[in-house]
Amino acid sequence: GAGVSQSPRYKVAKRGQDVALRCDPISGHVSLFWYQQALGQGPEFLTYFQNEAQLDKSGLPSDRFFAERPEGSVSTLKIQRTQQEDSAVYLCASSQGPSRAETQYFGPGTRLLVL
Amino acid sequence: KQEVTQIPAALSVPEGENLVLNCSFTDSAIYNLQWFRQDPGKGLTSLLLIQSSQREQTSGRLNASLDKSSGRSTLYIAASQPGDSATYLCAALDSNYQLIWGAGTKLIIKP
Repeated sequence: GAGVSQSPRYKVAKRGQDVALRCDPISGHVSLFWYQQALGQGPEFLTYFQNEAQLDKSGLPSDRFFAERPEGSVSTLKIQRTQQEDSAVYLCASSQGPSRAETQYFGPGTRLLVL
Repeated sequence: KQEVTQIPAALSVPEGENLVLNCSFTDSAIYNLQWFRQDPGKGLTSLLLIQSSQREQTSGRLNASLDKSSGRSTLYIAASQPGDSATYLCAALDSNYQLIWGAGTKLIIKP
């Protein structure tokens, strides 16, 4: 596709519910990143994939957060037993090569509200 | 631990003015410094990327500088236009290859 797409764009969940957020990176991009952005703050790194390999998950805030990219293209971020503090915008980005120093292209984000 | 700060948090200027946005970082061990623009509902757009060995980068009316020794970067916008209104974020790629972000400067250009 022309750019990074994310779905859904908005998600309202009840506390304790599981959610799954999808990211479609730019076709052929090797690297994929997930970020969490709280209101009024800059994004915070969650995890990084190179193709299907999850090489860095040091930013995942708890074991309730899980990400996968099984075929090296589409990625899913799953949050189990959602809590109110999980409310944020979840951003996905991709870059062309394996270097983490390249320009990243961002999707529009998924805004998650946990009630 | 790397920390990135952007001041001011918000800025409002009349159209046509030149302006400077500031970004500071605490650890000079960075691979690059990037400036992004964030528009509501449209995600983040990369504006300029300055490698650690570089001093500045230019794109159109935008010029970004980097001074690693002082832990500072500036984004200069010339002849501002209402379409420049957005939140501008800087991010430093740290020694762990993670982007560490500032909270952004919300810029409003008044027609």
